[in-house]
Amino acid sequence: AQKVTQAQTEISVVEKEDVTLDCVYETRDTTYYLFWYKQPPSGELVFLIRRNSFDEQNEISGRYSWNFQKSTSSFNFTITASQVVDSAVYFCALIRHGSSNTGKLIFGQGTTLQVKP
Amino acid sequence: DAGVTQSPTHLIKTRGQQVTLRCSPKSGHDTVSWYQQALGQGPQFIFQYYEEEERQRGNFPDRFSGHQFPNYSSELNVNALLLGDSALYLCASSLFRGGTPNYGYTFGSGTRLTVV
Repeated sequence: AQKVTQAQTEISVVEKEDVTLDCVYETRDTTYYLFWYKQPPSGELVFLIRRNSFDEQNEISGRYSWNFQKSTSSFNFTITASQVVDSAVYFCALIRHGSSNTGKLIFGQGTTLQVKP
Repeated sequence: DAGVTQSPTHLIKTRGQQVTLRCSPKSGHDTVSWYQQALGQGPQFIFQYYEEEERQRGNFPDRFSGHQFPNYSSELNVNALLLGDSALYLCASSLFRGGTPNYGYTFGSGTRLTVV
């Protein structure tokens, strides 16, 4: 069975602080993809990053960075110098690779991030 | 470039009624997936449609059914509504490249369904 755990339900920081959102996953598959999505109050899930299981390189995109460690089954997300516009619910998700599984994303419970001015 | 469009945005129904939600995929996408997101929870996969057929299904009862049209748009139907069906229903589109899964999903803003 596959599972994604986001242990932090809510995080509150003051603007310009750095914040890390944790994601731990479980899967028996060797090939899989991991995702992070942002969900603002409007409801749509905004894609942030996709990483396959063979690519453990950390990635940085502006103020965002991701740390993928297969040894600990973690895919953590850090926002540097947080801004009020970063306030949203963030979801980590997992999908097993395979022609028979093209749509079933497994999501964590989400972490609500509140950035105060 | 239009993204995923869902309608209606909000809906209130009574227990036992039936509801139909609609989704138009992003231009160039041919696959539509539906998710249910209860308040405070992560989205749960309902099913996915490709080439007008249900390709994959999550753990949802038969009261949940769908359809995909030749223009790739899709409908989600829920019969005999229960209070527990109250949720945000999200549609995601993607491109299934002739057998090679493409994991680039674009989500719509969802339909907020309230069952009273």
